[in-house]
Parts: sequence; structure tokens; C-alpha cells
Amino acid sequence: AQSVTQLDSHVSVSEGTPVLLRCNYSSSYSPSLFWYVQHPNKGLQLLLKYTSAATLVKGINGFEAEFKKSETSFHLTKPSAHMSDAAEYFCVVSDTFGNEKLTFGTGTRLTIIP
Amino acid sequence: EAQVTQNPRYLITVTGKKLTVTCSQNMNHEYMSWYRQDPGLGLRQIYYSMNVEVTDKGDVPEGYKVSRKEKRNFPLILESPSPNQTSLYFCASSRITGGVAKNIQYFGAGTRLSVL
Repeated sequence: AQSVTQLDSHVSVSEGTPVLLRCNYSSSYSPSLFWYVQHPNKGLQLLLKYTSAATLVKGINGFEAEFKKSETSFHLTKPSAHMSDAAEYFCVVSDTFGNEKLTFGTGTRLTIIP
Repeated sequence: EAQVTQNPRYLITVTGKKLTVTCSQNMNHEYMSWYRQDPGLGLRQIYYSMNVEVTDKGDVPEGYKVSRKEKRNFPLILESPSPNQTSLYFCASSRITGGVAKNIQYFGAGTRLSVL
């Protein structure tokens, strides 16, 4: 069975400061992990994905995430927040040898303070 | 342009009146899926399809039907909608090469449904 926990439902940071969105996962097999972003009134868009290659994954718009197997974590970071980063972010896990099912976290709403 | 198209974007209906939300993708993807998004619950999978005529239940299939007669289309059917199906619905598609787990999901813009 697989599951994912986003530790913060809401994160607020000032523009220009670092962003950290936390995600922990549980997976029976070797997982694939994704971060998706949802801007207001839009569908979800892929930010980055991990599929057992390099543990530090770089995505679009300056975001990156590090897969830490020992901590079962896949936290999303960005060195300097921009106003356009305000959105909801979803961490997603899937067992690569499982039932082709994606499990979504409950989301983290990121607010950027001017 | 590669895209997943859902219609309608907004729908208000009454309890018991059958409705269909359409989903179409132009990327020749084998895998298609429907999700509902509710506050505090994230996205939950309703049904998915690995290819034409192949569909399977997700986490919350009760009250929904789907069909996959053509590769590009995957309509979601609510035979007798109820107020607890008021939600934001997303259709998604992806390739299955190497497994769905390794592929990017492409999402439609969403359908906001209100059942009165």
C-alpha cells in the first residue's frame, strides 16, 4: 500500500525568501514521486518527478526536490520565492511495480507575502 | 497543442438528473483517469482506464460510471447525482510506457459541479 502526507496545509513566505514544502511518503515498492502545482482556476501541472534516477531532482520555475529514502521524504524547495509561485502544491506517490495507481497528498497552499 | 479538454467547465444541476462530463485528449495516451478534488482531501481517483474498453475502479467509484469506447474520449457519467457529488472534477491522461507510475499526467482544466 502507498500513502503520502503533506505536513503543512498552508505555508506563507515573504517574496525573495526560501520555500520549503514538506512531503513524506510510504510505499511497499520502489516509488515514483511527483510534485504538481495548481494555480487558481487551473488544472494541475507537473513541477518535477523522481523515478529512481538522481535523488536531487530539478523542476520548472527554479523548484527542486530531494528524494531521501532513509527519511521517506520528498520535500520541495525553492531558494527565492516569487509572487507567481502562489498556488496549491500536491505531492504524489506511485509504486512503480504496483497497480498503476497514483496517490495524491491533501495539498499545501503557498502564499507569498509582498 | 497537446491538451486534455473537459466540458462543461461549470455545471449546476438538481438531484437525480443524469449528467455526463466529457473528456478528450489529443496525445494518443493509453491511460485516462477521473479525479475529484474536495477541500482538505486532495485529489481522489474515481475511475481509470488503461486502454479502450478497459476500465477499473479507483478509490471513490460509487455513484459514477465511465466508458472508453475510443482512445481519445473518457466520459464521466452520473446517473443520479446527489449533493455529496458536488465537487471539482479533473480528467487526466498519460502514456503507460514503462508503467503509469513513471509517466507525467496531463490534466484538464477541471469541471466544477454543483448538485442541488
